[in-house]
Amino acid sequence: GAVVSQHPSRVICKSGTSVKIECRSLDFQATTMFWYRQFPKQSLMLMATSNEGSKATYEQGVEKDKFLINHASLTLSTLTVTSAHPEDSSFYICSSRLVEATQYFGPGTRLLVL
Amino acid sequence: GQNIDQPTEMTATEGAIVQINCTYQTSGFNGLFWYQQHAGEAPTFLSYNVLDGLEEKGRFSSFLSRSKGYSYLLLKELQMKDSASYLCAEYGGATNKLIFGTGTLLAVQP
Repeated sequence: GAVVSQHPSRVICKSGTSVKIECRSLDFQATTMFWYRQFPKQSLMLMATSNEGSKATYEQGVEKDKFLINHASLTLSTLTVTSAHPEDSSFYICSSRLVEATQYFGPGTRLLVL
Repeated sequence: GQNIDQPTEMTATEGAIVQINCTYQTSGFNGLFWYQQHAGEAPTFLSYNVLDGLEEKGRFSSFLSRSKGYSYLLLKELQMKDSASYLCAEYGGATNKLIFGTGTLLAVQP
């Protein structure tokens, strides 16, 4: 399957700081990438759809000013958690869509906000 | 929204067969995915059903009934490494989104 990378894999930050997470499609160009969040023992919740060259589409209840998404190229999307708080601590996963509906997931980024 | 229901937890014995069921809303349906997720890792793709019927891939098979809004994942010859969460996800072509169920945590015991 296709390869998607994420960086960093783990990050610990202080409350009030911002954290940037990168998602890269390593072997194909992705016009659309997706960002998910997963709390312990829960399923993946779609946060937003990242479209190359245009604004991201956010799901209901997700604050676009808090979770900034940039999809500047066909292989890179970034998620910035601004002014992070402890309740933002979660597992953040990106995915890229190759053909039709199939999505390939990155390894995830575990964020801990102290 | 899309309501996707799966059992929360299941337990099975090594070498046995287990069936994990998933029900979903049929409106806007364009396909049904199954993913496997080990703790602390990202989901890995298992299967994708668009048409009714059973699709077999090694020890794993997936079934779909579009009229009933029902799918199942069948795991044969269970191995300890199959202990993981199994996520059912519905693809809505009109929305272009993959919506996940809550996942089923499978524990394989010796």
